[in-house]
Amino acid sequence: DAKTTQPTSMDCAEGRAANLPCNHSTISGNEYVYWYRQIHSQGPQYIIHGLKNNETNEMASLIITEDRKSSTLILPHATLRDTAVYYCIVRVRGTSYGKLTFGQGTILTVHP
Amino acid sequence: DAGITQSPRYKITETGRQVTLMCHQTWSHSYMFWYRQDLGHGLRLIYYSAAADITDKGEVPDGYVVSRSKTENFPLTLESATRSQTSVYFCASGGRRGTYEQYFGPGTRLTVT
Repeated sequence: DAKTTQPTSMDCAEGRAANLPCNHSTISGNEYVYWYRQIHSQGPQYIIHGLKNNETNEMASLIITEDRKSSTLILPHATLRDTAVYYCIVRVRGTSYGKLTFGQGTILTVHP
Repeated sequence: DAGITQSPRYKITETGRQVTLMCHQTWSHSYMFWYRQDLGHGLRLIYYSAAADITDKGEVPDGYVVSRSKTENFPLTLESATRSQTSVYFCASGGRRGTYEQYFGPGTRLTVT
């Protein structure tokens, strides 16, 4: 599985867009990009995933560059409740089960 | 309401005791997972199940037993608890083979004294 690199921490003002980058320069053609987050003392929460097209759901948007070497998770209007650790994970689809391995992630702090 | 629940949320037990952590999901997801989360180790897979009556070991299965007689339930049993099993335990479920779209429960914080 491709290695991912994320900034250790980021800040965002409440109501503004939070843009969280992830570098995955060694990604291969059949690897998907997944994003999860973990709010303090809660279980991890699935956010979104994509292969090469941009994706959007009710929580966030995922923008993947054309060469697929990096991606950005966008929370369009961050709230205080979005303060969490955000994890970018790259995995090949088609394995028999989906064991998740989280790296260090990005600590996003949303401030008033 | 649909979702995934875990019980108990907090548990203190003594070394050597047997303890069972419960996990229940209402989505009829095929896959279910047990993870533990410790500082410095991140999330580690203990056991997983692809369907009722099908279970397999993850990274750290020693000292744990699982069963899955019904699709919706996936209990985790510590046969003889040890202090090293003090941790936060998360159950997760997922519906699609080969994907990493998993939905986690709120966790059980277990302390072994």
